[in-house]
Amino acid sequence: EVQLVESGGGLVKPGGSLRLSCAGSGFTFSDYSMHWVRQAPGKGLEWVSSITSSSDFRYFADSVQGRFTISRDDAKNSLYLQMNSLRAEDTAVYYCARDPYIAVAGTSGPKWFGPWGQGTLVTVSS
Amino acid sequence: QSVLTQPPSVSGAPGQRVTISCTGSTSNIGAGHDVHWYQQLPGTSPKLLIYLNNNRPSGVPDRFSGSKSGTSASLAITGLQAEDEADYYCQSYDSSLSGSMYVFGTGTKVIVL
Repeated sequence: EVQLVESGGGLVKPGGSLRLSCAGSGFTFSDYSMHWVRQAPGKGLEWVSSITSSSDFRYFADSVQGRFTISRDDAKNSLYLQMNSLRAEDTAVYYCARDPYIAVAGTSGPKWFGPWGQGTLVTVSS
Repeated sequence: QSVLTQPPSVSGAPGQRVTISCTGSTSNIGAGHDVHWYQQLPGTSPKLLIYLNNNRPSGVPDRFSGSKSGTSASLAITGLQAEDEADYYCQSYDSSLSGSMYVFGTGTKVIVL
């Protein structure tokens, strides 16, 4: 069974930093592109960042570009989101999600999200 | 800053049919990018409901169907059931020079009367 488990959320002051983790199991982690999507309290979904398998490419939403970095450790089956210079508007539940299938080399791959984790809450407040 | 527009809520009695619209632009749905739909039950994470406009993952009832035309897409739920009460989000890809790659709709709450 595919499982994605996020951790690392919590309360942080504006301007602070936080590192989120996502542990994957039940599949060959290194084969899949991975993503972070967030949801502010009572609001809709917002894509945050993506990283391809082998970490060849990393993408970020304009709202977090320059402040967040994404990385992965395939030996640990883990995805990370390093969040710096946090703002109140970054308050949200952060979900990690996996590509729905393994992209064929040389193709752009799927443009939707397969399994999702349960999310971890990040609160930015003084 | 959702790029795709959905109605805030739709409602229907059990057994009825409801539809949710998802309106985009020429840089996403109108550019030929596919539309996908997610269901988020209360207190849970989103779950893929429809992919590539009108395909259902295994386990999703055939009461759910999707369509796409021009710059818009729709999700239809026929034979509405109490367990369908949830938030629904459309999602596509945006190929504009600025902004997000993956874009979501504003979300629609389905209320079963």
